[in-house]
Amino acid sequence: AQSVTQPDIHITVSEGASLELRCNYSYGATPYLFWYVQSPGQGLQLLLKYFSGDTLVQGIKGFEAEFKRSQSSFNLRKPSVHWSDAAEYFCAVGANYGQNFVFGPGTRLSVLP
Amino acid sequence: EAEVAQSPRYKITEKSQAVAFWCDPISGHATLYWYRQILGQGPELLVQFQDESVVDDSQLPKDRFSAERLKGVDSTLKIQPAELGDSAMYLCASSSRDEYNEQFFGPGTRLTVL
Repeated sequence: AQSVTQPDIHITVSEGASLELRCNYSYGATPYLFWYVQSPGQGLQLLLKYFSGDTLVQGIKGFEAEFKRSQSSFNLRKPSVHWSDAAEYFCAVGANYGQNFVFGPGTRLSVLP
Repeated sequence: EAEVAQSPRYKITEKSQAVAFWCDPISGHATLYWYRQILGQGPELLVQFQDESVVDDSQLPKDRFSAERLKGVDSTLKIQPAELGDSAMYLCASSSRDEYNEQFFGPGTRLTVL
C-alpha cells in the first residue's frame, strides 16, 4: 500500500524568501503524485501533478515540484513566497484511475511580513 | 468552471443526533469520494463510489456511518448517532475517467458535535 510522509509539520518563511516543502512517498510502481493547498476552512485546491515525462513540473501560483525516483521524493518549491501563500500544503500519491489517494499529514506554512 | 458542490458548509449538532451531508460532483465524473479530515491532519478516505457502486468503504465506521449514491450522480453521507469524535471537516471529491486520478474537491462541511 502507498504511503506519504511530510517531515515538516510547520514551516515559517519571510515574504520574498524561497520555499521548499518536502514529500516522500512509498509505492511499488510508478506513482501519480500531487500537491494540494488548503486555506483555513476551505477545500483542497490542486497546485500541480506528476504522472510521467519531465520530472520537473510547473503548477499554479508560481509553484513547481521535482520528482526524484531515486529518493522517492516529490518536493514542492517556490522561488519567492507571497503572504497569500500561507496555508496548509498536502502531498498525495495515487495509483491508477479509480484507486484512492493517500494524503500526507500536511505542512503548515506561515509567512512573515 | 465546474465545481464540486457540498452542503451544508457548517453543521453543529448534539451527540446522539443524526446528521447528513450532501455532495454534487462535477457533471460527468464517475468516481466520487468522501473524506474525513480531522483538524491538523490530512484527509482520510471514508468511501469511494464508481457510478452508483461502492468500491471502497473499508475505513467507513459502518455502525454509524452510511453513504449512498443512488443514481450515480449526487451523494449523501449520514452519521447516526453522531459522537463527539466525529467533529471534523467532511470533504467530497470527484474524478473523471479521462484524468489520471486527479481529484477535484468541494469546499467541505465542517461538523461540530457538542
